[in-house]
Amino acid sequence: QKEVEQNSGPLSVPEGAIASLNCTYSDRGSQSFFWYRQYSGKSPELIMSIYSNGDKEDGRFTAQLNKASQYVSLLIRDSQPSDSATYLCAVKGKSDKLIFGTGTRLQVFP
Amino acid sequence: SAVISQKPSRDICQRGTSLTIQCQVDSQVTMMFWYRQQPGQSLTLIATANQGSEATYESGFVIDKFPISRPNLTFSTLTVSNMSPEDSSIYLCSVEQGIRGYTFGSGTRLTVV
Repeated sequence: QKEVEQNSGPLSVPEGAIASLNCTYSDRGSQSFFWYRQYSGKSPELIMSIYSNGDKEDGRFTAQLNKASQYVSLLIRDSQPSDSATYLCAVKGKSDKLIFGTGTRLQVFP
Repeated sequence: SAVISQKPSRDICQRGTSLTIQCQVDSQVTMMFWYRQQPGQSLTLIATANQGSEATYESGFVIDKFPISRPNLTFSTLTVSNMSPEDSSIYLCSVEQGIRGYTFGSGTRLTVV
């Protein structure tokens, strides 16, 4: 079992719709969870961090964490073509190491 | 948040040679992390570099192939040694910034021919 798992996609949504990205992790002791956006040829850019169960909202983005189910999600409301990118789920486990999932490619079409 | 200057941004190298990648941070940080991103893949942690001690390498990565230096709290280098085409990847350095998460350098795109 991979430490952090994501559906590779592509996930295609129309402009204005809600995009839902999901991630599961194996280390039950993980405490910090991050969503990064990566455009082609660029380095990852932090979008959201979440540390406790529940929802965390920042603009059009909402991160959701359920530690009992070892599940993290990212919702993007009012999706825009500029949101088209690869979204990486990352989990901070033991020894301060950040472990990445394989990423989900999101395509927002006009 | 911290600003990381990484160089070179890209290079094309002959097999059998070595390339040293540098990362300079605009603030002092305890740990720096080096990642590899192979074409179409996600990020894989190579090693963690602490100032004043040997780097800690992840499974599948060894010091002879990827020697790391960390001479002070703002600078680190990663060397890719005796390169082969399989080393063609993007290499990224990263620092942790508490609740601000992890910040990445702009990456080094390496092509080995």
